[in-house]
Amino acid sequence: DTEVTQTPKHLVMGMTNKKSLKCEQHMGHRAMYWYKQKAKKPPELMFVYSYEKLSINESVPSRFSPECPNSSLLNLHLHALQPEDSALYLCASSPDGTMNTEAFFGQGTRLTVV
Amino acid sequence: GENVEQHPSTLSVQEGDSAVIKCTYSDSASNYFPWYKQELGKRPQLIIDIRSNVGEKKDQRIAVTLNKTAKHFSLHITETQPEDSAVYFCAAKEAGTALIFGKGTTLSVSS
Repeated sequence: DTEVTQTPKHLVMGMTNKKSLKCEQHMGHRAMYWYKQKAKKPPELMFVYSYEKLSINESVPSRFSPECPNSSLLNLHLHALQPEDSALYLCASSPDGTMNTEAFFGQGTRLTVV
Repeated sequence: GENVEQHPSTLSVQEGDSAVIKCTYSDSASNYFPWYKQELGKRPQLIIDIRSNVGEKKDQRIAVTLNKTAKHFSLHITETQPEDSAVYFCAAKEAGTALIFGKGTTLSVSS
């Protein structure tokens, strides 16, 4: 299994809602990442988990809250988002964050905040 | 932190021509340089990568070159085909960090 699976594929939420994005991989990877991608822009790093510990937080607003329940799962909890948070949210994983190997991306969750 | 510059932002070529995309990076500690292809509505997919102990790498019609001294690396696509049309991102990474992407190049190959 060489897939990173993200659910849901699409999400529409109001500014007062609470929702969660989920990411799962079964490749035994120990580094997992959240990226945000706006249209016609590159993926922008949000968070890095290495061995289930948060190792990088790129000054992301607290309305985004990551969680890594185990080595295969990565969640992104969303609360009180703004319309400008609408974007494609990409999850990625790599074997070991300390080594330089390929990062595998999920298909993404396309989020619309209304 | 790392900063990656990518040029050009758009590139149009005729089928069969070559395409070259160039990137520069700022952090001399970066030692991994992948290139991703992203088609509309799809995930970024790795097409080739190079590590800092190698100067050049080739995979069929795709090659990447790295100049560590100048801190730049380039993607070369030969004999372009319409299916090569996509957005291409370069990226740089230092061990223990994460990929930082360039702004992307939209490649259009016309037949």
